[in-house]
Amino acid sequence: AQKVTQAQTEISVVEKEDVTLDCVYETRDTTYYLFWYKQPPSGELVFLIRRNSFDEQNEISGRYSWNFQKSTSSFNFTITASQVVDSAVYFCALSWREYGNKLVFGAGTILRVKS
Amino acid sequence: KAGVTQTPRYLIKTRGQQVTLSCSPISGHRSVSWYQQTPGQGLQFLFEYFSETQRNKGNFPGRFSGRQFSNSRSEMNVSTLELGDSALYLCASSLRQNQETQYFGPGTRLLVL
Repeated sequence: AQKVTQAQTEISVVEKEDVTLDCVYETRDTTYYLFWYKQPPSGELVFLIRRNSFDEQNEISGRYSWNFQKSTSSFNFTITASQVVDSAVYFCALSWREYGNKLVFGAGTILRVKS
Repeated sequence: KAGVTQTPRYLIKTRGQQVTLSCSPISGHRSVSWYQQTPGQGLQFLFEYFSETQRNKGNFPGRFSGRQFSNSRSEMNVSTLELGDSALYLCASSLRQNQETQYFGPGTRLLVL
């Protein structure tokens, strides 16, 4: 069965600190995609990144970076020099070949960045 | 390009009533998926439509149904509402039908009294 685990329920940091959000996934499929979404208080899920199972290259986009490791089934997300505007709920999600666009989400991690 | 739009944004209903939620995907997107978000169960997949056909369905009772029109717009319907149906209902659209990036709308917040 496909499953996504985000063990960190809530993280609080002070502005300018670096923070890493953990994501561990389970799937038997060899072809799958991993995603990160951000949900600010307004409620809309904002797409951040999509990574396929054959691409283990790490990615950096501004202050955001992602570390994908198939050996540990993890897809962790790091925010460098956090800002108050980064405060939100962050979701990791998984889709796999046999099930169209269906996403299985983790429980989410609440990130609070204090000034 | 306009994003995914959902109407209405807020809705209050009473138990036993039915409700219809609407979703307009991003122009050119042909796949629409629906998700329910509650504090207890998190984000759960309801169903997915592509080219007016339901392709996948989540583990929800038959009171939850949906459809997609020829212009890719989608509606979902919940009949005989229960208190537990109170949730944020999110619609997402994507260009194609397999493992595509889904772009979400602002959601419809449904409160059942």
